[in-house]
Amino acid sequence: GQNIDQPTEMTATEGAIVQINCTYQTSGFNGLFWYQQHAGEAPTFLSYNVLDGLEEKGRFSSFLSRSKGYSYLLLKELQMKDSASYLCAVMDSNYQLIWGAGTKLIIKP
Amino acid sequence: DVKVTQSSRYLVKRTGEKVFLECVQDMDHENMFWYRQDPGLGLRLIYFSYDVKMKEKGDIPEGYSVSREKKERFSLILESASTNQTSMYLCASSPGTGYSHEQYFGPGTRLTVT
Repeated sequence: GQNIDQPTEMTATEGAIVQINCTYQTSGFNGLFWYQQHAGEAPTFLSYNVLDGLEEKGRFSSFLSRSKGYSYLLLKELQMKDSASYLCAVMDSNYQLIWGAGTKLIIKP
Repeated sequence: DVKVTQSSRYLVKRTGEKVFLECVQDMDHENMFWYRQDPGLGLRLIYFSYDVKMKEKGDIPEGYSVSREKKERFSLILESASTNQTSMYLCASSPGTGYSHEQYFGPGTRLTVT
């Protein structure tokens, strides 16, 4: 079966760095997405990785290792507004998105 | 600015009622999707559409149907609502070409079936 695993909840301190991991087992691979979802709101796109390596976008970076079935989202200089759920999703061989359950990130002052 | 709208943010219906959830996008996207989101579970795909009058079943289509008569509008229908369909329903759209395109989501409809 297809499976996406990410931690249920993480806590970090304002100004610090946090890494949210995602491991996957899917039928084929056509890229991995990260989305941010604030409570009661719609998910919004953060990043897309299809090749191995690190993609940096401001305070957020996303890393992919296809051989290990592993990705992480790195958030630097954490701000209170970063408190949200972070969703990992993999596009399989049928070009369908398989979603993880999401990681709830709590930022403390 | 990209926009996906859904007809209601909150909806309360009784068991057995027919429920219509509407989604409209203004980006001329070919692809549209309906998901449900429940605590502890990832987004689960109910139905999707790659073109007008075209529909494909997702992972959990049972108890649902869809309609896409116009490119910008994708409706989700619960023929006879049941309590296990209480959930957050999210509509999304994406451009037709290229699989690297992100999906744009609407604000969601929180449906409660009593």
